[in-house]
Amino acid sequence: NAGVTQTPKFRVLKTGQSMTLLCAQDMNHEYMYWYRQDPGMGLRLIHYSVGEGTTAKGEVPDGYNVSRLKKQNFLLGLESAAPSQTSVYFCASSSPGTGEDLGQPQHFGDGTRLSIL
Amino acid sequence: AQSVTQLGSHVSVSEGALVLLRCNYSSSVPPYLFWYVQYPNQGLQLLLKYTTGATLVKGINGFEAEFKKSETSFHLTKPSAHMSDAAEYFCAVMGFSGGYNKLIFGAGTRLAVHP
Repeated sequence: NAGVTQTPKFRVLKTGQSMTLLCAQDMNHEYMYWYRQDPGMGLRLIHYSVGEGTTAKGEVPDGYNVSRLKKQNFLLGLESAAPSQTSVYFCASSSPGTGEDLGQPQHFGDGTRLSIL
Repeated sequence: AQSVTQLGSHVSVSEGALVLLRCNYSSSVPPYLFWYVQYPNQGLQLLLKYTTGATLVKGINGFEAEFKKSETSFHLTKPSAHMSDAAEYFCAVMGFSGGYNKLIFGAGTRLAVHP
């Protein structure tokens, strides 16, 4: 039972390079999210998706793009990496819940540690 | 708008002592509240959640939290700390905007447990 799987786990990039982070979930969740985690700042939402083919901006979307071509996958792209994007990136997924059971928790992957030199 | 404040970025306790991690929230609607734990080099794991009903919520690993509406608090406690409890803990409140379930996280509290 894999849950949420992120690849790669570690990556070092040079400024200006591009890369794509992959997130896959096997729980048939509608919602998927990308966060970044920086010391002392908790988790900040980059982009999210409420279903296949739909994406939206979160709190800190600049410099990132996303795609959700398949329900189980959510890709995060950095077109031209900058040192300020050095961070730990987490993907999460959840179901929307229904009625009085709207408080469905998000399930997280183990993260991708990205360093940009 | 919803927000979360975790009092104390670092908390240190002795093994066997009471653990108390503080969380205060701001929400204009009845909140859904969560505590997550993050062990080194891992993702976040759900400890417990409050949605409706009983205000004292029990979670995994002996943790519990009490929702106090009058104090807008959702503090996390454990009667007796274990070395394995050393981790970072995040409080979060759920909001609903843009048609999705948004989690607003606090900055986190790192718990150290010493012998």
